[in-house]
Amino acid sequence: DGGITQSPKYLFRKEGQNVTLSCEQNLNHDAMYWYRQDPGQGLRLIYYSQIVNDFQKGDIAEGYSVSREKKESFPLTVTSAQKNPTAFYLCASSSLGTGNSYEQYFGPGTRLTVT
Amino acid sequence: SQKIEQNSEALNIQEGKTATLTCNYTNYSPAYLQWYRQDPGRGPVFLLLIRENEKEKRKERLKVTFDTTLKQSLFHITASQPADSATYLCALDPSLNSGGSNYKLTFGKGTLLTVNP
Repeated sequence: DGGITQSPKYLFRKEGQNVTLSCEQNLNHDAMYWYRQDPGQGLRLIYYSQIVNDFQKGDIAEGYSVSREKKESFPLTVTSAQKNPTAFYLCASSSLGTGNSYEQYFGPGTRLTVT
Repeated sequence: SQKIEQNSEALNIQEGKTATLTCNYTNYSPAYLQWYRQDPGRGPVFLLLIRENEKEKRKERLKVTFDTTLKQSLFHITASQPADSATYLCALDPSLNSGGSNYKLTFGKGTLLTVNP
């Protein structure tokens, strides 16, 4: 089955620890994205990547880092510098093409709680 | 500044009625607008995409309109069912119309639709 997976579904960490969230897709999509969702805030873009070994900051990149070593994988690290890391994190992927806007396919999300 | 607003945070309707959700945007000139459905604790699921030269798009019980003059999209669910209860998000890619494309989407905050039996 084609799709996008995120693991784990729930993650608990102590303040001051870095944590890495996994995102894998087998849709052969070029673009991948990380969003954060807080209650009443909608989806906010953290980082995105259109090609392997390249990525761009989104609207709220501070305190986060990513890598794109493989087309199918786009892990997100939440560092200790992120002031409010507790949130629901969503990974997405999409095709790319000139002059078109392609829908994004989302994973099931990881709910991170930092105490 | 650029804004995308979904006017109602929550909408309650009776089963069988038509639900109408609104998405307004300012200081954007999007070539496309998309609608997604999100259930609690899950990722959004794509529903429909409408281009700026399309006034209306339909898919089964869903209908989307796009008025670039009013800078507004309306999302309709006809013959609504309790299973339609979810949060509906509109999203646009503001970059395409400028000739560039970075494939980012800007999402509205969503409207929580509840269909009562």
